[in-house]
Amino acid sequence: DAGVIQSPRHEVTEMGQEVTLRCKPISGHNSLFWYRQTMMRGLELLIYFNNNVPIDDSGMPEDRFSAKMPNASFSTLKIQPSEPRDSAVYFCASSSPDKNTEAFFGQGTRLTVV
Amino acid sequence: SQKIEQNSEALNIQEGKTATLTCNYTNYSPAYLQWYRQDPGRGPVFLLLIRENEKEKRKERLKVTFDTTLKQSLFHITASQPADSATYLCAQGSGNTGKLIFGQGTTLQVKP
Repeated sequence: DAGVIQSPRHEVTEMGQEVTLRCKPISGHNSLFWYRQTMMRGLELLIYFNNNVPIDDSGMPEDRFSAKMPNASFSTLKIQPSEPRDSAVYFCASSSPDKNTEAFFGQGTRLTVV
Repeated sequence: SQKIEQNSEALNIQEGKTATLTCNYTNYSPAYLQWYRQDPGRGPVFLLLIRENEKEKRKERLKVTFDTTLKQSLFHITASQPADSATYLCAQGSGNTGKLIFGQGTTLQVKP
């Protein structure tokens, strides 16, 4: 398996624009997580899904953020409109109950909002 | 609220020595703790998991302890090498949901 795949790897956008980050989890994993990492706040859990259903979105900073998981092999995190303070590295991770809940992370998307 | 804390100051040690990193948690009792390694520009990579009913776990040069009385986990790297230089993250998990809450991470620098 290629692991968790995220795209794009880097995104630079202007304030006010819509940004969509994409994630393909490892096949067979039924949990998917979106994290945001900054120097100030570390790795923050934004939202996670079990069997494609959002379970906990309490970490989503505000209504500008939304996440979907239309099927077991794809998820998106959307920011609309984007703001400079959204600049961070966004990670997607997936896990399976069979793996003692170890999480496998993608390479991340570095988002810069100017 | 659940909180997990790691020493934010970088840890600098000499090659061959044992590195010890600390993870403290408050306000809850996690079912398990996990330790991850993160290199610059990459995602975290899983190293070890220790459950609340386990005192100690080992994997090659790595050792993790879990003290539910002190609400603390210690992560040890014995015979450290420059290649061990990275940021190490502690994460707490609860139940079977797989939800993980991470600490800020501690950066380890091993000097030759």
